[in-house]
Amino acid sequence: GQQVMQIPQYQHVQEGEDFTTYCNSSTTLSNIQWYKQRPGGHPVFLIQLVKSGEVKKQKRLTFQFGEAKKNSSLHITATQTTDVGTYFCAGPGAGGTSYGKLTFGQGTILTVHP
Amino acid sequence: GAVVSQHPSRVICKSGTSVKIECRSLDFQATTMFWYRQFPKQSLMLMATSNEGSKATYEQGVEKDKFLINHASLTLSTLTVTSAHPEDSSFYICSASLGNTEAFFGQGTRLTVV
Repeated sequence: GQQVMQIPQYQHVQEGEDFTTYCNSSTTLSNIQWYKQRPGGHPVFLIQLVKSGEVKKQKRLTFQFGEAKKNSSLHITATQTTDVGTYFCAGPGAGGTSYGKLTFGQGTILTVHP
Repeated sequence: GAVVSQHPSRVICKSGTSVKIECRSLDFQATTMFWYRQFPKQSLMLMATSNEGSKATYEQGVEKDKFLINHASLTLSTLTVTSAHPEDSSFYICSASLGNTEAFFGQGTRLTVV
C-alpha cells in the first residue's frame, strides 16, 4: 500500500536557526497536505499542495511539492519557540476517494531552544 | 473554518469496560468521518472510515468488533472501544472534511485503561 516517509524524526534547533522536514511517497500523490500538532493538541491544517513543482509560502514557512509529485518539504526560516510541535505531511489515503482520508508521514518533532 | 468537536477529551476506565467517544461536526454536515489512533510520539494511523447511514470501513488489522463505529446522523459519529484493555490506551482522534481540501480534526480523546 501507499507509504509516506518523513525525515527526520526529531530536530532540535536553537531559536533563530532554520528547520526543514522532508516527505517522500512511494507513489505519485494527487496532493499533499501539511499539519502541525502542538504537544497535547490535535493536528491543525497548514497547507495543501496540488501542482507539480508548486511552492507556497506562509510568512516564515515555505512548502514545496516535487516535480514528480512524490516528495515535499517544509522549511521554516528563523525558528521561534512558537514553532515547537510535530509537523506531519499527509497524502490521500490508499484507495481514498473519500475526501479527508489521509495517510500520514511519521512526523518530525521540532524542539526550539531559546 | 469548520469545527469538529470530540468528547470526552480524557477518559480513564477499568479493564474490561467499554468507552464511547463522540465526534460531532458543529457547523457542517459530514457524510464521512474518519477515526485515527495515535500512540505517544508516533504518527496518526487511520482506523476506520465512518459512513453516515451505512457500515464503517475498517483498515486492515483493526478489529471491527472491538472498535464499534456508529454514524447515525450527518453530524455525529461515535467510536466505542469495547472490553478495553491497557493496550488500547491511546489518543483517538476523529476528523471530517468539507471536500477535497483540508481535514478538520477533533480535539482528540486520551484513553487510559487501568
